[in-house]
Parts: sequence; C-alpha cells; structure tokens
Amino acid sequence: SQELEQSPQSLIVQEGKNLTINCTSSKTLYGLYWYKQKYGEGLIFLMMLQKGGEEKSHEKITAKLDEKKQQSSLHITASQPSHAGIYLCGALPAGGATNKLIFGTGTLLAVQP
Amino acid sequence: NAGVMQNPRHLVRRRGQEARLRCSPMKGHSHVYWYRQLPEEGLKFMVYLQKENIIDESGMPKERFSAEFPKEGPSILRIQQVVRGDSAAYFCASSPLTGTDTQYFGPGTRLTVL
Repeated sequence: SQELEQSPQSLIVQEGKNLTINCTSSKTLYGLYWYKQKYGEGLIFLMMLQKGGEEKSHEKITAKLDEKKQQSSLHITASQPSHAGIYLCGALPAGGATNKLIFGTGTLLAVQP
Repeated sequence: NAGVMQNPRHLVRRRGQEARLRCSPMKGHSHVYWYRQLPEEGLKFMVYLQKENIIDESGMPKERFSAEFPKEGPSILRIQQVVRGDSAAYFCASSPLTGTDTQYFGPGTRLTVL
C-alpha cells in the first residue's frame, strides 16, 4: 500500500525565518494536497499539485511536486506566528481509481515571536 | 457559502452507548468522505459516499460502524456500542466531483468514550 512520510516531524523557527517541509511517497502520486490543521480544529486546504514539476504559490507559501511525482515540498518564506500549526500532505493513490486520501504523519510547526 | 458543517463538535459517550455524528457538505457538493484521527496517529480514510450510495467503505471497521448519506439531510456516521478505542476526532470532507477534486474538511467531532 502507498505510504506518505513527512519530515521533519516537528520544527521550531524564529519569526521571519524560512522553512521547508517535505513529503515523500513510496509510489508515484496521482494528486498531492497540502493542508494545515490548527490544534483541535479541522483541516484547511492550502494547495493541490498534480503535474510533475508543478509549483504553486499562495502568499508566502510555495509548494512543489518533483518530476517523478514522488516527492513534494512546502516552503514558507519569512514565517509568522500565524503560520504555526500542523501541516499535512495528502495524496490520491497512484492509478486514480479511488477518492480516498492517504495522509502523511504531519509536521508540527511552531514559530517563536 | 458555508463550509462543511459537523455536529456535535464534542461528544461524550459511555461504553456501550451509541454515537451519531452528522455532516452537512458544502453547498453544491454531492460527495462525502469520513476520516478518523486517533490520538498519536495520522488521519485515516473510513468511507466515501454519494447521495444514497456507499462508494468505498474499505476503511470502515467491519463491526459497529455504519454510514449513510440520504437523499435529504446530512450524512450520518453511526457507531454502536462504543468502546474506549473509538475515542478520536472524526472528520468529514466533501467535494463537488470525484477524481482529483479537492476535498474540503469540516471542523471535526471529537468523541470521548468514558
């Protein structure tokens, strides 16, 4: 079965610093989603990537999918306390025959003022 | 346009009781997904439904758990004879279409079994 591994598991950065979170799949991805979860709350959709080499940005967050479609990175520029939370990558299994998302274990981000 | 609604937000049950979790998808969405987040574990798929049909229930425990999405009204996740191991956050998501359509999540229902 397909698995998603995220690194690092947790991250503490000073406000204003850049950071990168990685998501690696054991198999080719059909679609890759990034979500953010605040403790005790639901998931907020950030971005979706589908094509190899694709890159998307929204405000200070950039997500990329590698050419082989097995690894994605989420980069935050000039981090702010509002960026704190748990970042989850989710993927549709290769083949696209199902709609069930498989999620990584999450990366806990803390931003120190 | 209201997002995905779930209620209750918090639910406490004693062992052996029934738990009913409700999910109203976003307006215009006809596909509903349920996920469970156990303490110290990741988010796991449970079931995918369309109106009046269960499409994929491969993640549902074989016993005590059932889900429905009737023609009218919210989707319901029902857990009979709850046990302490059922304590978790249950999230509902909805999408307008299938395939790579983005799934939008509700705030979740946090179930505690005493």
